[in-house]
Amino acid sequence: TQLLEQSPQFLSIQEGENLTVYCNSSSVFSSLQWYRQEPGEGPVLLVTVVTGGEVKKLKRLTFQFGDARKDSSLHITAAQPGDTGLYLCAGAPSGSNDYKLSFGAGTTVTVRA
Amino acid sequence: DTGVSQNPRHKITKRGQNVTFRCDPISEHNRLYWYRQTLGQGPEFLTYFQNEAQLEKSRLLSDRFSAERPKGSFSTLEIQRTEQGDSAMYLCASSPQTAGDQETQYFGPGTRLLVL
Repeated sequence: TQLLEQSPQFLSIQEGENLTVYCNSSSVFSSLQWYRQEPGEGPVLLVTVVTGGEVKKLKRLTFQFGDARKDSSLHITAAQPGDTGLYLCAGAPSGSNDYKLSFGAGTTVTVRA
Repeated sequence: DTGVSQNPRHKITKRGQNVTFRCDPISEHNRLYWYRQTLGQGPEFLTYFQNEAQLEKSRLLSDRFSAERPKGSFSTLEIQRTEQGDSAMYLCASSPQTAGDQETQYFGPGTRLLVL
């Protein structure tokens, strides 16, 4: 059983549309990270959310951390083909002092031109 | 500022051979992590170092796997007597020990291993 569940697993949309990816857990996290990974490459950090209820914006990407720090979402506005990739959420459970990350299985996003 | 680097980027080997991967973390990052990722999955934790001390090993890390970080800088991951099930992407990450930033890990490009 994975600590972090991501949905949907796959998402294919047309350029210009919006999309939302969800990351849920029954555990409390001190922070969550979102990464984007392209085939054959390592994950690239997009954002770290730390405070319950926090909203962070990175250009067309909006990240939200749930009030209870158990879930997070990533919303992309007006998606572009360059947003195509595997989106991963990851975190270390609250109280952990080793900070090893548990990852979701990822959401594969395809943006068609 | 160079990011995390890993070598080699790709490795093809025959079953039963030994392989060694290297990771150079971001300079002055105290913590170094190894993860393994298979197709369609997120990375899974293998082991981590704080400076030169290996502090935790996952149950995924059989006795054929060994990792070192001899001077608290670069790290190596060795797999002995490779098996086809070892085929995966091996990822290295590092993080600082700055309060409030310890949980953010920066990943290298990975080493893709194929065992024939």
